[in-house]
Amino acid sequence: EPEVTQTPSHQVTQMGQEVILRCVPISNHLYFYWYRQILGQKVEFLVSFYNNEISEKSEIFDDQFSVERPDGSNFTLKIRSTKLEDSAMYFCASNGQREFGNTIYFGEGSWLTVV
Amino acid sequence: AQSVSQHNHHVILSEAASLELGCNYSYGGTVNLFWYVQYPGQHLQLLLKYFSGDPLVKGIKGFEAEFIKSKFSFNLRKPSVQWSDTAEYFCAVPLGSSASKIIFGSGTRLSIRP
Repeated sequence: EPEVTQTPSHQVTQMGQEVILRCVPISNHLYFYWYRQILGQKVEFLVSFYNNEISEKSEIFDDQFSVERPDGSNFTLKIRSTKLEDSAMYFCASNGQREFGNTIYFGEGSWLTVV
Repeated sequence: AQSVSQHNHHVILSEAASLELGCNYSYGGTVNLFWYVQYPGQHLQLLLKYFSGDPLVKGIKGFEAEFIKSKFSFNLRKPSVQWSDTAEYFCAVPLGSSASKIIFGSGTRLSIRP
């Protein structure tokens, strides 16, 4: 089965540091997403990305966050200056079509701990 | 705005017991609904989805869900659970006409006693 891969699986960073989480979506997919899950809470939408631009973002996705598809295969989430409350599991996902007739595939997540 | 709610936060069952996890949605238009599962330490996986047609949807691993429009519900069921079904279960719905994202319910943690 095709899969979305994410690196790192776990990162510990100091508050105020920049973090880049990397994702390799499924190769023929066109729609990409980042979600996060704070420990014990629900999975929250952060941002969706299509055709090299953000198509939608949540109120969580403020100026500290950015996404990029630098080389046609990777899809990255950058947090410029991490805060303690950014500690969470971050999930990348991809979808082959805009409509949800296709399954959204999720990666295994990157666990970010901000200390 | 569309939303989903899951009322059971933690369900504990013995093996072979029957399971029903509740999910209610708020949107009255065209409805697409999903159930995802997250096994301990693993990523989200799609269990099943409803788009149209037969309101009783069969998914993987013996799970099924029934879309009941009059009750705005999409409950997940399994007739006989196994210890390996221990996981967190999330109901989800696409949000917005562009369907560019889905939103998740708060999740239900299922613990199975061996």
